[in-house]
Amino acid sequence: AQSVTQLDSQVPVFEEAPVELRCNYSSSVSVYLFWYVQYPNQGLQLLLKYLSGSTLVKGINGFEAEFNKSQTSFHLRKPSVHISDTAEYFCAVSDRVGGTSYGKLTFGQGTILTVHP
Amino acid sequence: EAQVTQNPRYLITVTGKKLTVTCSQNMNHEYMSWYRQDPGLGLRQIYYSMNVEVTDKGDVPEGYKVSRKEKRNFPLILESPSPNQTSLYFCASSSPFPGQGAYEQYFGPGTRLTVT
Repeated sequence: AQSVTQLDSQVPVFEEAPVELRCNYSSSVSVYLFWYVQYPNQGLQLLLKYLSGSTLVKGINGFEAEFNKSQTSFHLRKPSVHISDTAEYFCAVSDRVGGTSYGKLTFGQGTILTVHP
Repeated sequence: EAQVTQNPRYLITVTGKKLTVTCSQNMNHEYMSWYRQDPGLGLRQIYYSMNVEVTDKGDVPEGYKVSRKEKRNFPLILESPSPNQTSLYFCASSSPFPGQGAYEQYFGPGTRLTVT
């Protein structure tokens, strides 16, 4: 069984400051990893994903994440945030069994990022 | 436009009255899923389907049913809704193929359900 822990439920930060949203996962098999963003009163949108290859993954809106297999982490970072980055961010994991994902996706509890002027 | 649609967007109902929330995608995706979102709990998968007539339980399947008779549709059925099923529900679809955004979940706009 897979699980995801987002270590911070809320992260306040000032505009133009760097930010890191932390995500740890557990799984007995290889995984695919994702970060999604949910703006207020909207659905979820993919920020980035790790399927294989380079452990540093770049996504939309200047976000990036690094897959660390030994620490089972997939932290999300942005060097300089904007007011418009205020949203809730979700880390998610899917087991990769036999080279394919069977569609079961587990989300973390979410981290609310609030960017202050 | 590639999209996942859900209906209705808002629903208020009473305990025990059967309801169906429809979900449809136009991207020819193999995988479809239903999630519920509750404050502090993130999204929890209710059911998922890997293709027509192939479905499996997610983490919180109790009280829900699904069917996948056509590739594009994946309705969520609450046979006897209860107040603890009051939540925000999302349908999503995805594909394992690189040309279709491998494994990226495309989400619908959500259905806010209130059971009194």
